[in-house]
Amino acid sequence: AQTVTQSQPEMSVQEAETVTLSCTYDTSENNYYLFWYKQPPSRQMILVIRQEAYKQQNATENRFSVNFQKAAKSFSLKISDSQLGDTAMYFCAFILTSGTYKYIFGTGTRLKVLA
Amino acid sequence: DSGVTQTPKHLITATGQRVTLRCSPRSGDLSVYWYQQSLDQGLQFLIQYYNGEERAKGNILERFSAQQFPDLHSELNLSSLELGDSALYFCASSSQGGAKNIQYFGAGTRLSVL
Repeated sequence: AQTVTQSQPEMSVQEAETVTLSCTYDTSENNYYLFWYKQPPSRQMILVIRQEAYKQQNATENRFSVNFQKAAKSFSLKISDSQLGDTAMYFCAFILTSGTYKYIFGTGTRLKVLA
Repeated sequence: DSGVTQTPKHLITATGQRVTLRCSPRSGDLSVYWYQQSLDQGLQFLIQYYNGEERAKGNILERFSAQQFPDLHSELNLSSLELGDSALYFCASSSQGGAKNIQYFGAGTRLSVL
């Protein structure tokens, strides 16, 4: 069975600073996708970034980037130049490229950006 | 706005009752997914439909059922409700049913069972 672990329940960062959120996963499969979703107080789930497992290059979306270490089964999210609007729950998620196509979510990291 | 519409936004009901949650996917999306998020938990996959047919089942209780209609909207039916069913229920949709297709989430329906 696949699992996703987020070991940091809560984190805080000063505005304009950089923060890294950790995520590890466990699977015996070779082909999958990894995602980071953001859930602000509005509760809307918003896709932040996606990484295809077959790609060695780390995905980047503006201030958000990932450090994907396939051998270590690690998928961390780096937020640069943190903004107050980044305050949210962040969920790491995993999906196989075959089978049921269901997301396996971690339990989340609550990030607070401090002014 | 993700383009996925969920109604109602809030639902308050009593134990033993039955409710129906509705989801309209993004225009053109064929696949619909239902997830449950209990307080401060990650999302748990319940069920997926693709073009009207059930594609995959997750941790969905027997008291819960879902369907996807010809116009592609979907309904999640929850019956014999218990206090523990109180949660945020999300619907997501994707263009196809495969993993590479990004799932777009609705704003959720908050169910409170009293």
